[in-house]
Amino acid sequence: GQQVMQIPQYQHVQEGEDFTTYCNSSTTLSNIQWYKQRPGGHPVFLIQLVKSGEVKKQKRLTFQFGEAKKNSSLHITATQTTDVGTYFCADQTGANNLFFGTGTRLTVIP
Amino acid sequence: DTAVSQTPKYLVTQMGNDKSIKCEQNLGHDTMYWYKQDSKKFLKIMFSYNNKELIINETVPNRFSPKSPDKAHLNLHINSLELGDSAVYFCASSQGFLAAQPQHFGDGTRLSIL
Repeated sequence: GQQVMQIPQYQHVQEGEDFTTYCNSSTTLSNIQWYKQRPGGHPVFLIQLVKSGEVKKQKRLTFQFGEAKKNSSLHITATQTTDVGTYFCADQTGANNLFFGTGTRLTVIP
Repeated sequence: DTAVSQTPKYLVTQMGNDKSIKCEQNLGHDTMYWYKQDSKKFLKIMFSYNNKELIINETVPNRFSPKSPDKAHLNLHINSLELGDSAVYFCASSQGFLAAQPQHFGDGTRLSIL
């Protein structure tokens, strides 16, 4: 079956350091969505990537979709304490069904 | 104004009981979902409804029965609760289901089985 793995599972960074989470699939991804879940909160949509090789930016966040559409990444420049949370990628399969990755839990040390 | 609201927020009950979780969205979306998030934070789709019709049922035990009285509501009833049902259940909604659309999640219902 489909597997969407994210690495690392956990990441601790000092405030101001950069952070990257990688999303890898054993099968070709359709569309990738990224979500952020704060501790005790619910997933919140960040962005969607559709095209092979696509790169999108949101302030300090940079999202990439691999050329072969088998991987994606989220990079945060100069992390802040407000970036704390779990970041999920999700593959959109048929009927807008989201198949979530395993998530990367980010801790930012002030 | 809460877009996707779930009740209750917390649910503590004994094994074997039957319980329901309610979800309502005021976004005018056509599609609603139920997700289960376990203690390791894995988030898995359970059901998807489009305009009150079941679209997806992802190998969920038949003790779980969703009901959509109208497209703004999707409730989840669980019979004969088991220890393994302890999790956070999220309701979500999106506009349409054929094209990729962002999903809007409720705050979650934290279900604990004693």
